[in-house]
Amino acid sequence: DSGVTQTPKHLITATGQRVTLRCSPRSGDLSVYWYQQSLDQGLQFLIQYYNGEERAKGNILERFSAQQFPDLHSELNLSSLELGDSALYFCASSVSPASGEQYFGPGTRLTVT
Amino acid sequence: AQSVTQLDSHVSVSEGTPVLLRCNYSSSYSPSLFWYVQHPNKGLQLLLKYTSAATLVKGINGFEAEFKKSETSFHLTKPSAHMSDAAEYFCVVSDEGNTGKLIFGQGTTLQVKP
Repeated sequence: DSGVTQTPKHLITATGQRVTLRCSPRSGDLSVYWYQQSLDQGLQFLIQYYNGEERAKGNILERFSAQQFPDLHSELNLSSLELGDSALYFCASSVSPASGEQYFGPGTRLTVT
Repeated sequence: AQSVTQLDSHVSVSEGTPVLLRCNYSSSYSPSLFWYVQHPNKGLQLLLKYTSAATLVKGINGFEAEFKKSETSFHLTKPSAHMSDAAEYFCVVSDEGNTGKLIFGQGTTLQVKP
């Protein structure tokens, strides 16, 4: 158990809908990262927050957004969902961006039908 | 830009035989390198990391990796495979700058036969 929690574990929704994925980092970690894992794209970095502020953006679609709250939990919002958004979404946390290793949550499996 | 290439998409070994998972990296600076493992329907677990200290890095569950700058390689090895080692393995490089962003290889599926 990494100490990173993600909810929900599974999510099934229809095209065009909007969903929110939630992540709680390990106790003491200030950095949160979101990754998407799909069969065709592999594991890709989406976005990073550090102590409430956005630090880096990767291959994140404009339909997706995220934020980190004062209690350090983070939410990833996915809107106008398309079939191709079906994937496993991971949250990871670290003490700081420079600390190196990241600890991953169990993931949220999103299925868009 | 940083990148990693995992040279084998699938590796099959017999239980009790050595494991070798190959990874080459590309980086314009001295990188931080990691190996993560993903068991079926599970999250990613850190096996080991290299951060410019000793070039031979020991990790969990008997795995180790050697950083070879001249060959730009960071291969993962284990002397004797167990059935429980069957999983997906990812070679990972940390992006330059201070973001901490991780760049993943495409993964190697390790099959362990009885």
